[in-house]
Amino acid sequence: QVQLEESGGGLVKPGGSLRLSCAATGFIFNDHYFLWIRQAPGKGLEWISYISADVITKRYGDSVRGRFTISRDNTKNSVYLQMNSLRDEDTAVYYCARIGESGYFDLWGRGILVTVSS
Amino acid sequence: EIVLTQSPATLSSSPGERVTLSCRASQNVSYYLAWYQQKLGQAPRLLIYDASNRASGIPARFRGSGSGTDFTLTISSVEPADFAVYYCQQRRNWPPITFGQGTRLEIK
Repeated sequence: QVQLEESGGGLVKPGGSLRLSCAATGFIFNDHYFLWIRQAPGKGLEWISYISADVITKRYGDSVRGRFTISRDNTKNSVYLQMNSLRDEDTAVYYCARIGESGYFDLWGRGILVTVSS
Repeated sequence: EIVLTQSPATLSSSPGERVTLSCRASQNVSYYLAWYQQKLGQAPRLLIYDASNRASGIPARFRGSGSGTDFTLTISSVEPADFAVYYCQQRRNWPPITFGQGTRLEIK
């Protein structure tokens, strides 16, 4: 079954850290770029980060650069997002998504909620 | 950064009607634009890519058009399952990857 599944979300205090994981199944993981996109409650979609298939290229949105780190393990078919120095405004549902042959995001996980609150 | 502006913010429609959603880019994105549908509580789903190509499994009632800075998504005959939020996204110039703010299609 072709799917992505996020894990690792939850409640964390401001200034804290959290690591999200995204497990991929049912397709050739190493062929694809992956990205993280988040959605604050009641808001639109915000791109956070992406990573290339060969792990060499990583990019970040302005709101998370210097605090978040994307990585992947091609032996475990997984993508990760290490989130440090978390702020209230990082509260959101975080989606892992695949960049398909079309160049667009053709496969999404169900999302995982991260709540930053004291 | 390319800014995508969607209009209207909310669109009210009845099943069976034809609706048109708009996405305007702040710079020329050629045909590098996609549309996503997001139902309540679900992840977004790719509908249209490269302005006018339907993604796998997307019904023919969804049609995308446009190029440059002006794009439209047309649903020829709205069905109950189509009431959702629709986002456009460009890949002409990224990073950053940018999305429009969304158009909510609601039942009249």
